[in-house]
Amino acid sequence: KAGVTQTPRYLIKTRGQQVTLSCSPISGHRSVSWYQQTPGQGLQFLFEYFSETQRNKGNFPGRFSGRQFSNSRSEMNVSTLELGDSALYLCASRPGTGVGQPQHFGDGTRLSIL
Amino acid sequence: DAKTTQPTSMDCAEGRAANLPCNHSTISGNEYVYWYRQIHSQGPQYIIHGLKNNETNEMASLIITEDRKSSTLILPHATLRDTAVYYCIVKTGGTSYGKLTFGQGTILTVHP
Repeated sequence: KAGVTQTPRYLIKTRGQQVTLSCSPISGHRSVSWYQQTPGQGLQFLFEYFSETQRNKGNFPGRFSGRQFSNSRSEMNVSTLELGDSALYLCASRPGTGVGQPQHFGDGTRLSIL
Repeated sequence: DAKTTQPTSMDCAEGRAANLPCNHSTISGNEYVYWYRQIHSQGPQYIIHGLKNNETNEMASLIITEDRKSSTLILPHATLRDTAVYYCIVKTGGTSYGKLTFGQGTILTVHP
């Protein structure tokens, strides 16, 4: 079974631009979560989607947004990029939203802001 | 979700068992203990999880104390490829169930 796939793997942008990252969950998984990882803050939760609805949101500014499609694939968008947005962005999926269902992560998109 | 405390770093000789402790003294009855690891430049990898009973899978064993205030992840025969950051996470259900809160984890170094 294929794992979580994130595209692209690497991305370089400049300040002020916007970016869209893509995540394809494991087949059959309907819940997708996004995380940001930086050396200073570690792994931080961004948001979770299930059935095309945002179910939970972390403490990030409104420049960070996401969506989920009917096939469970998800995208996240960051507008007006800042230098501090340089990070590894990770996507994780799980079958549903029940307790006890572990999340499975992709290898992330490394975003660098110049 | 309950807070966890892990040692910053640990060493283990290749071929020996690696025992990684985690303290979660404020855990409540419906909170699961999850273990993940992250190898450099990769996403976190799910290892194992449990609620009350000890658990074992092909990767590791999870031992949870009877009072559930601490747990130990056991890698029975550590290899060099097990060198990674190991995260212990305590997670409840409810509306925040999709959110995992990662601490600093334990850096495990397996040496020849």
